Amino acid sequence: EIVLTQSPATLSLSPGERATLSCRASQSVSSYLAWYQQKPGQAPRLLIYDASNRATGIPARFSGSGSGTDFTLTISSLEPEDFAVYYCQQRSNWPMITFGQGTRLEIK
Amino acid sequence: EVQLLESGGGLVQPGGSLRLSCAASGFTFSSYAMSWVRQAPGKGLEWVSAISGSGGSTYYADSVKGRFTISRDNSKNTLYLQMNSLRAEDTAVYYCSMQNRVTTVFDYWGQGTLVTVSS
Repeated sequence: EIVLTQSPATLSLSPGERATLSCRASQSVSSYLAWYQQKPGQAPRLLIYDASNRATGIPARFSGSGSGTDFTLTISSLEPEDFAVYYCQQRSNWPMITFGQGTRLEIK
Repeated sequence: EVQLLESGGGLVQPGGSLRLSCAASGFTFSSYAMSWVRQAPGKGLEWVSAISGSGGSTYYADSVKGRFTISRDNSKNTLYLQMNSLRAEDTAVYYCSMQNRVTTVFDYWGQGTLVTVSS
């Protein structure tokens, strides 16, 4: 099983600041990594697929990078609605999909 | 507009069974693989099971293999998850999700249905 480790567990920032979230895989997943956002009481929403491609309707302030084992989700300037939990997910060894444990982005 | 509506959750005793349904609309259901993903209270996301568009291929996480069965009725645009031999650790919100035909990522999600396994 490919284990995804996200860091930090919690990130405290203010609106307007830049957020950098990390996801590290236990073995190479090539570029087959996605990012999701989840707000309380809601289903997850796809943000980024294949490491760096924004999903339909996702604002340009969200960007993804990385390949192999190290990946980053960057939010260039935080909006109030961006405070949520973020999960990474790999599909390298489909169908054995795995998710990271999540990073909580909270308002400082 | 893609819509996924889960139902069938509830309280069940350990060892019991439950069948979840997911009614789909707004897309050609039979053309898309579908998955169930669960989230235990206060925890992260766990992929549970997937099924191909035709229903001919099914896949399971090790944690549910042999206990859960995924199926679909393309004539009714409905996805199912039959859950048997339920355990306390199966307590979670269960989401159905439509997978992208190329990337297999979870493009759309339902609102989820809560399954509670407790005596």
